[in-house]
Amino acid sequence: GAGVSQSPRYKVAKRGQDVALRCDPISGHVSLFWYQQALGQGPEFLTYFQNEAQLDKSGLPSDRFFAERPEGSVSTLKIQRTQQEDSAVYLCASGPVGVPSYEQYFGPGTRLTVT
Amino acid sequence: AQSVTQLDSHVSVSEGTPVLLRCNYSSSYSPSLFWYVQHPNKGLQLLLKYTSAATLVKGINGFEAEFKKSETSFHLTKPSAHMSDAAEYFCVVSDLTSGGYQKVTFGTGTKLQVIP
Repeated sequence: GAGVSQSPRYKVAKRGQDVALRCDPISGHVSLFWYQQALGQGPEFLTYFQNEAQLDKSGLPSDRFFAERPEGSVSTLKIQRTQQEDSAVYLCASGPVGVPSYEQYFGPGTRLTVT
Repeated sequence: AQSVTQLDSHVSVSEGTPVLLRCNYSSSYSPSLFWYVQHPNKGLQLLLKYTSAATLVKGINGFEAEFKKSETSFHLTKPSAHMSDAAEYFCVVSDLTSGGYQKVTFGTGTKLQVIP
């Protein structure tokens, strides 16, 4: 079956540009997470959705970052006025239910490079 | 608040010798704990998970981990390293928040090098 997919896989943006990163979770998965993974670091939590509800956005580093999941399936992470420190791999993960014992299934990530 | 500490950023072992990757956690409630592996330019893959059943958990590729509540540890072991085990390993804690939803925290990762 299809796993989590993300697009684009690679994105190069000039500083100041807006970008939109897409995540297609596994069909029927309730939970959806976004993470930011800087080079040589572990994934850092950005935000969490349960269906279409954004229950936790405490990890979003600034108000330039915005995420949505309007119909409870596909999610988009938008970064406005990109800065060089935004360069990282952005990972999306989905899970079957919103309880802590269920593992997450990760997408391949989008590598964002801001020049 | 929950946290995860991976005590070694790099571990180097010879092929065929045991592997030990250390992880300590803190959590207010009863957490679930996971180990994920990330090979270069590949996605994160679940190795194993602990969810309050047996404290010794067996995973894929011969890995296992033991949950020790008294030591708040969840160390990952393998009896004999293989070259294909060279990767980065992440310890992860997951718990319910007071709001009733899942909170997930990753450790900073341990890079495992396997020497032929």
